[in-house]
Amino acid sequence: DGGITQSPKYLFRKEGQNVTLSCEQNLNHDAMYWYRQDPGQGLRLIYYSQIVNDFQKGDIAEGYSVSREKKESFPLTVTSAQKNPTAFYLCASSPRGRGGSEKLFFGSGTQLSVL
Amino acid sequence: EDQVTQSPEALRLQEGESSSLNCSYTVSGLRGLFWYRQDPGKGPEFLFTLYSAGEEKEKERLKATLTKKESFLHITAPKPEDSATYLCAVRNSGNTPLVFGKGTRLSVIA
Repeated sequence: DGGITQSPKYLFRKEGQNVTLSCEQNLNHDAMYWYRQDPGQGLRLIYYSQIVNDFQKGDIAEGYSVSREKKESFPLTVTSAQKNPTAFYLCASSPRGRGGSEKLFFGSGTQLSVL
Repeated sequence: EDQVTQSPEALRLQEGESSSLNCSYTVSGLRGLFWYRQDPGKGPEFLFTLYSAGEEKEKERLKATLTKKESFLHITAPKPEDSATYLCAVRNSGNTPLVFGKGTRLSVIA
C-alpha cells in the first residue's frame, strides 16, 4: 500500500527538549515537505527537499532542522529554540515533474504539544 | 509574493442548501491551483487541480472553476458528510512549493 507514514501521531515535548518527527514515503517521490498548521490557520511551510542530500528553508524554518539522507525519509527535528512548538505537523511528498503542477500527497499528521 | 485568500472563514449550511467557497489569489505565473479537503486531525486529501482560466472540474457534489483572479468551489445539495475544511493552494511558474490559504470550514447540518 503506497503512501506517506508519519509517526508518532501524538508527541509531547518538555521544555528545553529536542524532539524528532518521522516521515517515510514509499511513493518514489523526489520532493518532500514539512508544513505546520495552527488552529484556524492554513499550512505554513517549514522546510522542503527536492532531492536527496539537499533541502531549503521555508517561511518559518527558525527553531527547526531537517535531513534528507534517503529518498524515502525526511525527519523533522523541533529544537528547544522553537518557543511555540504546539501545532499539527504535516509531511507531504510530490513527484518531480516538468510543469510544476504536481499535486502533494499528505501524511496523517503529528500533533505536538508542550508539557 | 504569492498570496491566497479564502472566504468565508466558516460556512454553515442546511443539508441540500447549495453554496460556493471562494479562493482569491495573486501569483507570478500560475502553474496550478489546487483544492484539498481536510477532516479534523487528518492530512489534506486532494480534490482538484486547475491550470487555466475557464477550466472546470467536477467530482460528485463538488465543482471547481477558475478565473484569472479567483477560483470557486461550488457545492450542490451538500450532505453532512461534506463537512470539512476546504483548502486552496497555488503554485507559481518558479516551481516553488505550494502556498496555501487559511481554508474555509464547512458545516452541513441535517
